[in-house]
Amino acid sequence: GENVEQHPSTLSVQEGDSAVIKCTYSDSASNYFPWYKQELGKRPQLIIDIRSNVGEKKDQRIAVTLNKTAKHFSLHITETQPEDSAVYFCAASWGTYKYIFGTGTRLKVLA
Amino acid sequence: DAGITQSPRYKITETGRQVTLMCHQTWSHSYMFWYRQDLGHGLRLIYYSAAADITDKGEVPDGYVVSRSKTENFPLTLESATRSQTSVYFCASRGDTGYEQYFGPGTRLTVT
Repeated sequence: GENVEQHPSTLSVQEGDSAVIKCTYSDSASNYFPWYKQELGKRPQLIIDIRSNVGEKKDQRIAVTLNKTAKHFSLHITETQPEDSAVYFCAASWGTYKYIFGTGTRLKVLA
Repeated sequence: DAGITQSPRYKITETGRQVTLMCHQTWSHSYMFWYRQDLGHGLRLIYYSAAADITDKGEVPDGYVVSRSKTENFPLTLESATRSQTSVYFCASRGDTGYEQYFGPGTRLTVT
């Protein structure tokens, strides 16, 4: 069945360093790839997304890259700050309701 | 974010009881979704709705029932709660254009 694999499950970085989280999806029909940030006890919040007709998108310190051939996409956070500490989820979507989520990455930014 | 709300925010119930989780959105979004979030599983789709009176099963629908008589409301009912349904439940909505989903604040449900 459809699947999204996300790695790593936990990631610790020093403040100011970069963090990279990777996801692989199985269904080649996927055409929308959002990333969510979830702080403890809070709802998932969309931080950036990319569509299948774009290879890269950037928003300040956050960027997402997509490789359709390899079926993987990545979240890049530069100049990490303590407030970036959270759980990050990727997802792959197609059609009107299909959203398959990865299992999450717990990012810890060490001061 | 204030446009989508859930109630109750916390609920403790006993095995076998019926419980209903409410979701309300003020954006007039056509699409609404129910997810459950469990450690190690991420978010899994329970049911979704494309419009009032149109609902369909997601990945993990067993033990759940939904209805959508009005566009703004999408209640989720556990007909006979089981311990395996202990989870955090998130409602989400999406407009007719674009793909972005917006999540409610969640309901933490404990079944004892």
